[in-house]
Amino acid sequence: DIQLTQSPSFLSASVGDRVTITCRASQGISNYLAWYQQKPGKAPKLLIYGATTLQSGVPSRFSGSGSGTEFTLTISSLQPEDFATYYCQQLNSYPPEISLTFGGGTKVEIK
Amino acid sequence: QVQLVQSGAEVKKPGASVKVSCKASGYTFTAYYMHWVRQAPGQGLEWMGWINPNSGGTNFAPKFQGRVTMTRDTSITTVYMELSRLKSDDTAVYYCARTYYDILTGHDYWGQGTLVTVSS
Repeated sequence: DIQLTQSPSFLSASVGDRVTITCRASQGISNYLAWYQQKPGKAPKLLIYGATTLQSGVPSRFSGSGSGTEFTLTISSLQPEDFATYYCQQLNSYPPEISLTFGGGTKVEIK
Repeated sequence: QVQLVQSGAEVKKPGASVKVSCKASGYTFTAYYMHWVRQAPGQGLEWMGWINPNSGGTNFAPKFQGRVTMTRDTSITTVYMELSRLKSDDTAVYYCARTYYDILTGHDYWGQGTLVTVSS
């Protein structure tokens, strides 16, 4: 299985800060990567797919970059509603790879 | 509007099985794969597998092969996930989440989650 390693696992930031989260894949996955935001007690919400494409309705302060094995999610100016846990997920389901694994998550808390 | 509505919370004993349902509405049921993702208390997300509602074909994460079954009933636009031989570490919230058939655009809609508690 392809493994995804997110860093940091936890970060403390202030409203207005620029925040960057990294996701590294154990092997190349082209641009087959998505990012999700999850708040406590809620289902995850899709933010970005195809590594860089913003899902409809998601604010433009969120952006994604990268391809191959290294990817980043950037929040250009952190807002109060952005404090949450963020996950990356690899979407390469072509054989022999069959598992759409998630990264371990990054919790963004208020400084 | 697209909705995925899951069945209610379950409490099961170790060794038992659980079957969770996910009723889809607001879109063409057979055009989207349905996946199951679980989250143990305080832990991250774990992808379990998908079902193609059009063909009934399935694909499971190796960890769950032999223990999970995914089925669908197209007449009522509902998919089911059954997990057998439950253990305490299967205690988790189980989510259904759809993707377009090519999977590459991610899980754009999720169910509300179903808490499954495994305890003696």
